[in-house]
This record gives sequence, structure tokens and C-alpha cells, in this order.
Amino acid sequence: NAGVTQTPKFQVLKTGQSMTLQCAQDMNHNSMYWYRQDPGMGLRLIYYSASEGTTDKGEVPNGYNVSRLNKREFSLRLESAAPSQTSVYFCASSEMSVSAQYFGPGTRLLVL
Amino acid sequence: TQLLEQSPQFLSIQEGENLTVYCNSSSVFSSLQWYRQEPGEGPVLLVTVVTGGEVKKLKRLTFQFGDARKDSSLHITAAQPGDTGLYLCAGGRNNDMRFGAGTRLTVKP
Repeated sequence: NAGVTQTPKFQVLKTGQSMTLQCAQDMNHNSMYWYRQDPGMGLRLIYYSASEGTTDKGEVPNGYNVSRLNKREFSLRLESAAPSQTSVYFCASSEMSVSAQYFGPGTRLLVL
Repeated sequence: TQLLEQSPQFLSIQEGENLTVYCNSSSVFSSLQWYRQEPGEGPVLLVTVVTGGEVKKLKRLTFQFGDARKDSSLHITAAQPGDTGLYLCAGGRNNDMRFGAGTRLTVKP
């Protein structure tokens, strides 16, 4: 089992460009999450999907959209990237909401 | 303001020393988890505690959940360089988890 995989690993964007971060899990988990991690801020929840077919805003959703494509895949889209979105993005999954989360290796995004 | 406050923010100790790190909140959580994160990787779950007053041990690590389910502590006995990392606590409530900013631990040989 690969667990949680994320692509790409690194990305450099110019301000205003768009991109989609991909996440997939092979653990048959119901819930999936997108976080961003910035120095001194810990992990902040962007969006989550408690189950297939549902998505909800987290703590910092502005500037992002998500799609729960199926039970395995949960993508994060930046429609018009801004320098404030420079961060490390982590996808995670769990069997159900508020249970143990399993994280991917992260995507390092730099917006110039 | 973080929902979960972790202290200390940084901790540097010598191999063999004991340490305790804290995770505090004014909110009640249905569960609390501790993770360790190494540079360039995602966090890895260490433990989940769900009952007020619960104590769990994982080798040299002891985790305690406060009676009121608002706070938690992690105690490491005889720290080793392999314990170096960022320790994150996360509280579950409603349908989401909230993370603290973490304690960055360095254990020097």
C-alpha cells in the first residue's frame, strides 16, 4: 500500500497562475483533508471532505477550491495564485472524521 | 490565536535527559492526537487519547489527556537523538481536527 500520495512534490508559480494539487489514498478511508503548513503556524485546515460527495471549509479556505473526485481522490485548486499561498501543502486521510489521520509527503509551493 | 497552544515552542536537550511538552486549550475535544514530523515529511501519528484522565505509554513516551479533555502532555524519558523532530498535538471536535503550532525538539548526542 502506498498510503497517501501527493503530486507534484514541488511547484513554482507566478502570481495569477492556476494549478491543481492532486491527492490519492489507497486505505479506503472515508475522510480526506487539505492542510497548509507555515513556519510557526502549525497545520491549518483548508478544506475537508468527511465522506465521498461532501466538502466543507476549514480554517483558511479563501483562495482555494476542492473536489472529492471519488472515494480515493481529493484535489485542491488554486485559481489565481498569490505570494501569500507560498507554503507546504499536506493531504491527509482518516477512516472517519476526527480519527487518526495519515499524511502524504507534502507539496512545496512557491508563488513568485 | 491558536485553538491549541503548545509549549515550549523550542526545546534543545542532551541525550539521556527527560522532558515534558504541553498542549493546552480552552475548548473540550472528543479526542486528542499527538504526531511527530521530521524535516521534509508529513506528520506521523504517535497516539490517540479519547478519555479524560487517560494515560498511554509508547516505549519511552508517556501521553496524558487532561481530566476535562482540554489539555494533554507528552513526557519523554531518557531522550535519544532519534526523538528529534516537531511534535504536534491535534484536537478533534465536530467534524474536523485542529492542530497546534508544535514543539520543535532537538536532542543532542
